[in-house]
Amino acid sequence: EMQLVQSGPEVKLPGESLRISCQGSGYIFTFYWIGWVRQMPGKGLEWMGIFYPGDSDARYSPSLQGQVTMSADKSINTAYLQFNSLKASDTAIYYCAKSYAGLHAFDMWGQGTMVTVSP
Amino acid sequence: EIVLRQSPGTLSLPPGERATLSCRASQSVSSSHLAWYQQKPGQAPRLLIYATSSRATGIPDRFSGSGSGTDFTLTITRLEPEDFAVYYCQQYGSSPETFGQGTKVEVK
Repeated sequence: EMQLVQSGPEVKLPGESLRISCQGSGYIFTFYWIGWVRQMPGKGLEWMGIFYPGDSDARYSPSLQGQVTMSADKSINTAYLQFNSLKASDTAIYYCAKSYAGLHAFDMWGQGTMVTVSP
Repeated sequence: EIVLRQSPGTLSLPPGERATLSCRASQSVSSSHLAWYQQKPGQAPRLLIYATSSRATGIPDRFSGSGSGTDFTLTITRLEPEDFAVYYCQQYGSSPETFGQGTKVEVK
């Protein structure tokens, strides 16, 4: 069974750093892009960026470039989203999602990681 | 950046009715690069349609997509109780890839 399993909820202080994870199973991890999508409380979906574990190609939303870093460890089929200096406005659910075939539509999603940033 | 505007914001319909959701792009989108998702409260989104009109695996045929250029449509021919949710369009042909703001389909 194909699935993406994300790390658990986090509560952090402003200014702290954070890395959340997304482990894929049931498919060849390095063959498909992994996207990251943010959903702020009560709001819609926001595309953050997309990462190809096969060669570490990364594309970021201009609004977030420099604030987050996508990476992966191919040996354990895990993608990461790193936050450098958290702000209260980073409070959101973060989803990872797998691309469908050669397209960047997302056909499988992780369960989401809730990140709360509060003083 | 391509901006996607979905309308209406909320669609109130009884079960059994036909739902028509619109997604309009600020620039032309290749028909190969337009998707629709469904999201229910407390759940991750689910892919319904990719490449404008291709149903994802396991999606019932009451869901269909159409359109080209800047105007795209998701149609649900006969609303079932489990279809009441929020729907998002996404373009993935131009970086940054973007989502529409969503249409909520609620029970009337």
